[in-house]
Amino acid sequence: GAVVSQHPSWVICKSGTSVKIECRSLDFQATTMFWYRQFPKQSLMLMATSNEGSKATYEQGVEKDKFLINHASLTLSTLTVTSAHPEDSSFYICSARDLRPTTAGAIDTQYFGPGTRLTVL
Amino acid sequence: QKEVEQNSGPLSVPEGAIASLNCTYSDRGSQSFFWYRQYSGKSPELIMSIYSNGDKEDGRFTAQLNKASQYVSLLIRDSQPSDSATYLCAVNQGDYKLSFGAGTTVTVRA
Repeated sequence: GAVVSQHPSWVICKSGTSVKIECRSLDFQATTMFWYRQFPKQSLMLMATSNEGSKATYEQGVEKDKFLINHASLTLSTLTVTSAHPEDSSFYICSARDLRPTTAGAIDTQYFGPGTRLTVL
Repeated sequence: QKEVEQNSGPLSVPEGAIASLNCTYSDRGSQSFFWYRQYSGKSPELIMSIYSNGDKEDGRFTAQLNKASQYVSLLIRDSQPSDSATYLCAVNQGDYKLSFGAGTTVTVRA
């Protein structure tokens, strides 16, 4: 399958600071990437959809001014958690949409990055 | 509200047995269905995708889709301890977002 990387894999920061997380599709171009958050023992929660060259679209209840998303190229999306607080501590996971034609029909699949564990003290 | 429901589990099976996971979805217009495996503390890993009614086999995994019943399942044959994980059913909402079920935790007993 396709490979998606995330950096950093974990980060610890003080309350009030900003943290940037990078998501890269390594072997395919992704016009669309997604950002999820997962709290312990809960399922994935979609935060926003990141589209290359345009503004991200946020899910209901997600503050766009707090979670800044930039998708400047076909292989890179970034999520910046601004003025982080302890309640923002979570596992942040990106995914990249792989859309390509094949002999068996179009493939439209999301591949996930390894995740970034954020701890805000 | 587009919903994806999975059997809650946890599901415990002996090594070598078949693990059967079920998933139902509410949006009749859904066209793409996925099973992801997530180990504790890790991100989801795609193990199967299915788009047409019927069975799709990949190694020890078989996905079954019945769009009329809005039902998709995953069978794991010859279960191994390394299959112990949470399995997430995901359904494409049509706007290429995925809706995830809550997951079923599988434990394979050696």
